Amino acid sequence: DAGITQSPRHKVTETGTPVTLRCHQTENHRYMYWYRQDPGHGLRLIHYSYGVKDTDKGEVSDGYSVSRSKTEDFLLTLESATSSQTSVYFCAISFGQGPSEQYFGPGTRLTVT
Amino acid sequence: GQQVMQIPQYQHVQEGEDFTTYCNSSTTLSNIQWYKQRPGGHPVFLIQLVKSGEVKKQKRLTFQFGEAKKNSSLHITATQTTDVGTYFCAYSGAGSYQLTFGKGTKLSVIP
Repeated sequence: DAGITQSPRHKVTETGTPVTLRCHQTENHRYMYWYRQDPGHGLRLIHYSYGVKDTDKGEVSDGYSVSRSKTEDFLLTLESATSSQTSVYFCAISFGQGPSEQYFGPGTRLTVT
Repeated sequence: GQQVMQIPQYQHVQEGEDFTTYCNSSTTLSNIQWYKQRPGGHPVFLIQLVKSGEVKKQKRLTFQFGEAKKNSSLHITATQTTDVGTYFCAYSGAGSYQLTFGKGTKLSVIP
């Protein structure tokens, strides 16, 4: 497996609270991604990064923000969590530009009550 | 916009039977990738296809990309219980590094 870790692995939080999920890679790769996975929807891209401080929105970015101050870390923040953001969140990295395969972290299961 | 349909959504097979999942697009795809996700696990990259009519094999798995680059299939010969999981196709636009995933086919194998 690629050197990708996610923290926390599980989190339960209340509606309205801020939440930050961390993705850490040891591979020094430029491209990083945040997805959410929900039953019946597959994997949907939230935000992605193509370098330090270079980020852009994906398909389902509303309610989420990201930051990447170092190559190895990509943070996903829910400013004010809602129950609709209960999901499994996966971070991924890719090794190159263009249609390159992606390698996924173990995931974070987030429950918003 | 570009849409990909993955069928079937679920498939239950007896161990030893074959299995096929299909990914169909309304428009031409520049490439397609396949991933497997075991229950409780994360998606794992299997293969990438980029050429029209391309066929690639990995042991019991055969991957095909259609001549028109609008469809792809993953075929597993003689399924085993280790094949259980959800299989996703994914594609990116020409020159793009963003992937869009199909909704997946969940495979159950009955021993």
